[in-house]
Amino acid sequence: NAGVTQTPKFRVLKTGQSMTLLCAQDMNHEYMYWYRQDPGMGLRLIHYSVGEGTTAKGEVPDGYNVSRLKKQNFLLGLESAAPSQTSVYFCASSYGPSARGYNEQFFGPGTRLTVL
Amino acid sequence: SQKIEQNSEALNIQEGKTATLTCNYTNYSPAYLQWYRQDPGRGPVFLLLIRENEKEKRKERLKVTFDTTLKQSLFHITASQPADSATYLCALPRGYSTLTFGKGTMLLVSP
Repeated sequence: NAGVTQTPKFRVLKTGQSMTLLCAQDMNHEYMYWYRQDPGMGLRLIHYSVGEGTTAKGEVPDGYNVSRLKKQNFLLGLESAAPSQTSVYFCASSYGPSARGYNEQFFGPGTRLTVL
Repeated sequence: SQKIEQNSEALNIQEGKTATLTCNYTNYSPAYLQWYRQDPGRGPVFLLLIRENEKEKRKERLKVTFDTTLKQSLFHITASQPADSATYLCALPRGYSTLTFGKGTMLLVSP
């Protein structure tokens, strides 16, 4: 099993450009999450999905859109990139919801995005 | 608002000693707490979960305590090794579906 994979690993964008980050998991998990991690800020939740075809906003959703057309994939889009979106982006997945207690999250290796 | 606090200063210890990391929270009544390890350039990896009715949980050289009165969890690594050097994150449930992570504490174990 590959677990959680993310593509690309690195990307440099110019302000105003758009891009899509792809997350894939092969563990048949229902829940998927996108986080960004910045120095001194820790992990912050951008958007998440509780199942195929569903998405919800997290803590810092502005400037991002997501889609979950297939259970195994969760896409994060930046329509018009800004320098403030320079960050490391992590995707994660879990079997169940956090309220159930057993939902450890499995993280991908991250995408390092720089917006000039 | 809900807050999670972990010591932002790195913890430096010598190999063989016990490392103790702290996670404090406010305005929460979590049913459980999780600990993760993150190595540089990698995603976090789940280590342990402790429920509110468990005072202590152990896994090999790791021990976690959970004091709901003090609103604090302590994470211990006994007989620490240089390979234990990493950033350790605590996480608490946020609503029904998600987790909120602390900013993490870096542990440096010197030979």
